[in-house]
Amino acid sequence: DQQVKQNSPSLSVQEGRISILNCDYTNSMFDYFLWYKKYPAEGPTFLISISSIKDKNEDGRFTVFLNKSAKHLSLHIVPSQPGDSAVYFCAARSNYGGSQGNLIFGKGTKLSVKP
Amino acid sequence: ETGVTQTPRHLVMGMTNKKSLKCEQHLGHNAMYWYKQSAKKPLELMFVYSLEERVENNSVPSRFSPECPNSSHLFLHLHTLQPEDSALYLCASSQDIPKQSSGNTIYFGEGSWLTVV
Repeated sequence: DQQVKQNSPSLSVQEGRISILNCDYTNSMFDYFLWYKKYPAEGPTFLISISSIKDKNEDGRFTVFLNKSAKHLSLHIVPSQPGDSAVYFCAARSNYGGSQGNLIFGKGTKLSVKP
Repeated sequence: ETGVTQTPRHLVMGMTNKKSLKCEQHLGHNAMYWYKQSAKKPLELMFVYSLEERVENNSVPSRFSPECPNSSHLFLHLHTLQPEDSALYLCASSQDIPKQSSGNTIYFGEGSWLTVV
């Protein structure tokens, strides 16, 4: 049973427009959420995070929104640039139970930003 | 350069071979991890080490054997693997194990592509 879901395997956006990547989760015990970016042949790199006590965190062109009631978070990239083309992973941290503290990842969404 | 180095980057091995993946982190972190990335599956956590002590083993088959001789090095010993074990194996590190820190930035290596034939 997938606790972190990224239902869109891919997304294509025009350069300069907004990219919105979505992530849904099922475990209400998640207390911290992260986005990682992965280029081909490289490991994931940390992009931005948000604590469950907040609903928005912004860092330059990247903003993460958290809707706890809907168990949904999204990553907004604006304006999108061709260099943003990568696979984006959503991850959540559980603060409960045997896997306390470990990250659970979604399957990823491949973003393509077209010039 | 993320500060986490993995070797080899690519490995092809037969089902009866014994091989090892190596990971080294230069970040002064206390926690190290092995993740598995299979096609069309989420990243799966395999092992967690904190200060050289294994703190988590996520029901990983015994044909995968981790070793952490010190806080900077982590190995994954591979023995009698199956073709379905072919995947990208990612090493990662963080300052502390997640429940000990308010944040949880994990730094990944570039991964080792493993093909079992």
